[in-house]
Amino acid sequence: GNSVTQMEGPVTLSEEAFLTINCTYTATGYPSLFWYVQYPGEGLQLLLKATKADDKGSNKGFEATYRKETTSFHLEKGSVQVSDSAVYFCALSDRNNAGNMLTFGGGTRLMVKP
Amino acid sequence: GAVVSQHPSWVICKSGTSVKIECRSLDFQATTMFWYRQFPKQSLMLMATSNEGSKATYEQGVEKDKFLINHASLTLSTLTVTSAHPEDSSFYICSAMGRTAISGANVLTFGAGSRLTVL
Repeated sequence: GNSVTQMEGPVTLSEEAFLTINCTYTATGYPSLFWYVQYPGEGLQLLLKATKADDKGSNKGFEATYRKETTSFHLEKGSVQVSDSAVYFCALSDRNNAGNMLTFGGGTRLMVKP
Repeated sequence: GAVVSQHPSWVICKSGTSVKIECRSLDFQATTMFWYRQFPKQSLMLMATSNEGSKATYEQGVEKDKFLINHASLTLSTLTVTSAHPEDSSFYICSAMGRTAISGANVLTFGAGSRLTVL
């Protein structure tokens, strides 16, 4: 079956530090890959996505590249801000008998200190 | 656009009662809705997938009689936790997928979640 593995948190960084959150996946087909962000007290929001190998998703300074050869989709940001503090979920999309479904990683909490 | 409203955001109930959680797509028609359960400090676990007008497809290990899902219209799905017990206390999140009226894009949007506390 499908699975997503991401680094455990919490990740604590100082403002303007470089961020990497690792994510690897296993899938039977050719999934689309996503990063979702969950700010405190809010629902999940799509941060970025990539639908095929070598695609790079980017948004709000975050980037992730779909690496089929290493089955990875690591999230990076060059300079984090306090407002980036949240829980980040890596996910893949595949089809089940009822249609599309998302499989999530365990989430990584990011805390950015001023 | 593409907003999903979930209600209630927090509910506290006594053991043995049933609780209904609503998930509404406000500005698009949701052909498919998903229900997730999130345990503290853990990821979302897909409970079931429902397509409008048909029975929900439950994931392995999820009790159909315990978690009743109804998707009677293109804008509303409900999750009823029947005879709730303390171990059912959790954060329940819905998501909806469908095409927006304006752009026709296929979107997947999450609700803000509903926290259930069973005493």
